[in-house]
Amino acid sequence: DIVLTQSPGTLSLSPGERATLSCRASQRVSSSYLAWYQQTPGQAPRLLIYGASSRATGIPDRFSGSGSGTDFTLTISRLEPEDFAVYYCHQYGSSPRTFGQGTRLEIK
Amino acid sequence: EVQLVESGGVVVQPGGSLRLSCAASGFSFDEYNMHWVRQAPGKGLEWVSLIRWDDSGIYYADSVKGRFTISRDNNRNSLYLQMNSLIPADTGFYYCARADKWIHVTDHWGQGTLVTVSS
Repeated sequence: DIVLTQSPGTLSLSPGERATLSCRASQRVSSSYLAWYQQTPGQAPRLLIYGASSRATGIPDRFSGSGSGTDFTLTISRLEPEDFAVYYCHQYGSSPRTFGQGTRLEIK
Repeated sequence: EVQLVESGGVVVQPGGSLRLSCAASGFSFDEYNMHWVRQAPGKGLEWVSLIRWDDSGIYYADSVKGRFTISRDNNRNSLYLQMNSLIPADTGFYYCARADKWIHVTDHWGQGTLVTVSS
């Protein structure tokens, strides 16, 4: 199984700042089948990025994804109040599909 | 508007059985692969099962293989998860999610239904 390790576990920033979240895979993620989800309390995960760098429909352009192989990054250029949430990376190129343990983005 | 509505979550004793349902609307259900993903309270996400749009492939996580059965009824726009031999570790929110059969990523999720396995 591909293990995804996200860092940091918790990120404390202020609105307007830039956030950089990391996801490292234990093996190469095939075809860059790497996605990022945002989850707020009591809600289902929301797809932000797929294919490592493609924004999902309706996602603001302050969200961007990059990386390939085993190292991937989600960047939020200027944090808005609604961006403080938990973020998960997810590989869907190999079975079983796996998720990272999550990064909690909290208001400083 | 894409809608996925799960139902069937209840409190059940260890060793018991449960059937979850997911009602889909707002898209062509028979053109999408469907997944179940679960989340223990306060924990991360765990993929459970996948059924392809035409029933041509069914896959399970090792943790549920032999105990859970995924199925779909394209005429009723519905997805199911039959859960047998339940254990406390199966406790959590169960989400159904759709995935484009070419892009493969799960792009819409339901709000989830809570399964609690406890005596």
